[in-house]
Amino acid sequence: GAVVSQHPSWVICKSGTSVKIECRSLDFQATTMFWYRQFPKQSLMLMATSNEGSKATYEQGVEKDKFLINHASLTLSTLTVTSAHPEDSSFYICSARDQASGATGELFFGEGSRLTVL
Amino acid sequence: KQEVTQIPAALSVPEGENLVLNCSFTDSAIYNLQWFRQDPGKGLTSLLLIQSSQREQTSGRLNASLDKSSGRSTLYIAASQPGDSATYLCAVGRGYKYIFGTGTRLKVLA
Repeated sequence: GAVVSQHPSWVICKSGTSVKIECRSLDFQATTMFWYRQFPKQSLMLMATSNEGSKATYEQGVEKDKFLINHASLTLSTLTVTSAHPEDSSFYICSARDQASGATGELFFGEGSRLTVL
Repeated sequence: KQEVTQIPAALSVPEGENLVLNCSFTDSAIYNLQWFRQDPGKGLTSLLLIQSSQREQTSGRLNASLDKSSGRSTLYIAASQPGDSATYLCAVGRGYKYIFGTGTRLKVLA
């Protein structure tokens, strides 16, 4: 199946610093990628939809100035957590769908990035 | 607003049992439904994708059904094995968005 690569898989940072997470589709092109957040023992919550070449669309309650998303190419989206605080500690997962499969194609997920803010 | 619920939240069974995981959703206007498996601390692995026009999909020991009109899907796992232990998530898609269910934590005992 298609592969979505996410990096780093885990990161520990000090409060107030910024952290960048990368999401790459390795064998397909994705005009749209999705960023999810998952707290312990909870399900995935959609944070934002990343659109290649345009601004991301954020879900209600997600601060766009805190979670910066850039989708500069058809295979790469980045999520930057700015001025991270302990409450931002979470598991962040990206997903993507082959643009050739349209809106109903299978969704593939990265391995996730565990962020711990001290 | 679409809400997706999975029952049971947790399940523990002896090896070899056949089991059924349930997923229900409130808005039947979906494009597709996808079942995933998540191991602790890991990302999601896609198991089965059912398009809205389909009734079921099968892969090995897994069979997923979809009844869009009643807002239900089931994931059937035959002859369960300890390696099946994981959290199983269903997600319903409309357009490009997916809404995830609450998950079922499965433990298969050897």
